[in-house]
Amino acid sequence: ELKVEQNPLFLSMQEGKNYTIYCNYSTTSDRLYWYRQDPGKSLESLFVLLSNGAVKQEGRLMASLDTKARLSTLHITAAVHDLSATYFCAVDKRRGGGADGLTFGKGTHLIIQP
Amino acid sequence: DAGITQSPRYKITETGRQVTLMCHQTWSHSYMFWYRQDLGHGLRLIYYSAAADITDKGEVPDGYVVSRSKTENFPLTLESATRSQTSVYFCASSEFPGTAVSYEQYFGPGTRLTVT
Repeated sequence: ELKVEQNPLFLSMQEGKNYTIYCNYSTTSDRLYWYRQDPGKSLESLFVLLSNGAVKQEGRLMASLDTKARLSTLHITAAVHDLSATYFCAVDKRRGGGADGLTFGKGTHLIIQP
Repeated sequence: DAGITQSPRYKITETGRQVTLMCHQTWSHSYMFWYRQDLGHGLRLIYYSAAADITDKGEVPDGYVVSRSKTENFPLTLESATRSQTSVYFCASSEFPGTAVSYEQYFGPGTRLTVT
């Protein structure tokens, strides 16, 4: 059974600081997703990581994937209040073509204070 | 509008009633998914479909039924609603991973269901 663990689950930080959210998963996978969710809203795709060593960046967010360690990180640089949200990582355990649906972590509730 | 839509957006029903949640996408994506979101559990997969007339169970399928007679629609039915099915339900779709450029899963706006 695939398990996805995120930590921390809650994070309060100040604007301008850097921080990293960690996502560990239990079985081999080559598809790792990061989503953002604002309160009462749907999920917004941030990154899809498809191979070992993949690194993607968008603005102040950077995601990386280490498939050997079964670990993905979401790094926040010089945080701003607008990044306050819940961040989810998710894994599709299917390899190659096709899909089995995503297994999600419980989410990291991020609050960025001025 | 193009995209993925869900209806209704909010629904209150009584225990024991049958409820159907609708999901419609305009991209002709092969795959469609149903997830439920509960506090403390994140999102969990209920059912998914690889194409019309092909469906499969996810992590939490009990008490739910799905069908997919057309590529664009993927309704989710609660045959006899229970209070434990109070949740926010999200539908998602994606192209066929492995042949498409993108492996993205696109999520609908969600349906907030309350069972009293």
